[in-house]
Amino acid sequence: DGGITQSPKYLFRKEGQNVTLSCEQNLNHDAMYWYRQDPGQGLRLIYYSQIVNDFQKGDIAEGYSVSREKKESFPLTVTSAQKNPTAFYLCASSLQGAQWGPQHFGDGTRLSIL
Amino acid sequence: GENVEQHPSTLSVQEGDSAVIKCTYSDSASNYFPWYKQELGKRPQLIIDIRSNVGEKKDQRIAVTLNKTAKHFSLHITETQPEDSAVYFCAASSADRGSTLGRLYFGRGTQLTVWP
Repeated sequence: DGGITQSPKYLFRKEGQNVTLSCEQNLNHDAMYWYRQDPGQGLRLIYYSQIVNDFQKGDIAEGYSVSREKKESFPLTVTSAQKNPTAFYLCASSLQGAQWGPQHFGDGTRLSIL
Repeated sequence: GENVEQHPSTLSVQEGDSAVIKCTYSDSASNYFPWYKQELGKRPQLIIDIRSNVGEKKDQRIAVTLNKTAKHFSLHITETQPEDSAVYFCAASSADRGSTLGRLYFGRGTQLTVWP
């Protein structure tokens, strides 16, 4: 959807480095989500947030951190503690919580290790 | 938490045939079931969804059925076309234990290939 912008499209991380993936939405959605996608594994939830200044861990939060200082922004930091960060990262948003309606996805960021 | 199983993992059909993908879920409180289509290297896109108070929903060549008693739901694609080739994901919405926040649990995906 044109309303969710992820950047950069490709990102390379060096050993011991933290990197931040950007996710911005102009859909006025309350809820935002970060997923990691590996081949053959579907989408795994990293973190999600239903309101500003509040977020919850998903299934694979270790080695990642997020912030939700503004309604439209939900950046994800991949820390050096995440030993296998190579994956396709997808950000999504929904008008309210996930039980009320569909999630809309951004185009993703592909992260690789140098 | 919720557990969503999806079968088959790969499916090949001839153009014009029908394709069926099945999912089961474990949490009887799940109440929203979307299906997403993802083409190679692209974002997942919602193709159809169904709520727990409805047994079937149809949109042109695509339909979804839900059996709450058996806790399974299925995607049906009729008159398949080569452009239907993609990975399809089912999902179920549930809340984590002790939380009121809803989230989606995804199946592992089905690679559908439609041969001309």
